[in-house]
Amino acid sequence: NAGVMQNPRHLVRRRGQEARLRCSPMKGHSHVYWYRQLPEEGLKFMVYLQKENIIDESGMPKERFSAEFPKEGPSILRIQQVVRGDSAAYFCASSPPGVNTGELFFGEGSRLTVL
Amino acid sequence: GENVEQHPSTLSVQEGDSAVIKCTYSDSASNYFPWYKQELGKGPQLIIDIRSNVGEKKDQRIAVTLNKTAKHFSLHITETQPEDSAVYFCAASRGDYKLSFGAGTTVTVRA
Repeated sequence: NAGVMQNPRHLVRRRGQEARLRCSPMKGHSHVYWYRQLPEEGLKFMVYLQKENIIDESGMPKERFSAEFPKEGPSILRIQQVVRGDSAAYFCASSPPGVNTGELFFGEGSRLTVL
Repeated sequence: GENVEQHPSTLSVQEGDSAVIKCTYSDSASNYFPWYKQELGKGPQLIIDIRSNVGEKKDQRIAVTLNKTAKHFSLHITETQPEDSAVYFCAASRGDYKLSFGAGTTVTVRA
């Protein structure tokens, strides 16, 4: 299965700890997007990355959140000093190179629980 | 920014009946409208999409209609089956990566 791979699927952290979520895009895809889904809500855009570049981070909280997509390896969404309000499902999506037409392929998500 | 509203929030139908979910959007520049199905513990899966240059699109038991003037679009599932039970999300974008999602509709198909 060459779909979008996310890990860990479930992550539990205590307040103040750090959370790192990883995403490997579909084979041949070079664009990665992170979305967040709060309980009982739809997904909300956070950030769009290409290799070694953040293209659009307009949906990212200004503090504690960061994302990267290095030349080698998966994309990482990092949340420092987590708080209870960070508990959510974080979904990664990818799309092929070239102009994005809106078709995104989502992974199965990483569910973060902050105690 | 774009605001997408989705109704109903829950929908229960008898197996074999039809299910209809409706969404409205606010940004008149939106031109891409996908629908996603999310099963419990899984990620959203694209099931059908429509672009603003067409008014209707059909794929087997699933169809989507778009009314650009009224800024609303709908998902129709005919001959529902138990495996259609899931949460369905509509979304809208200007044809790029920044999808604005509705809040979701939980569909339950009763056997």
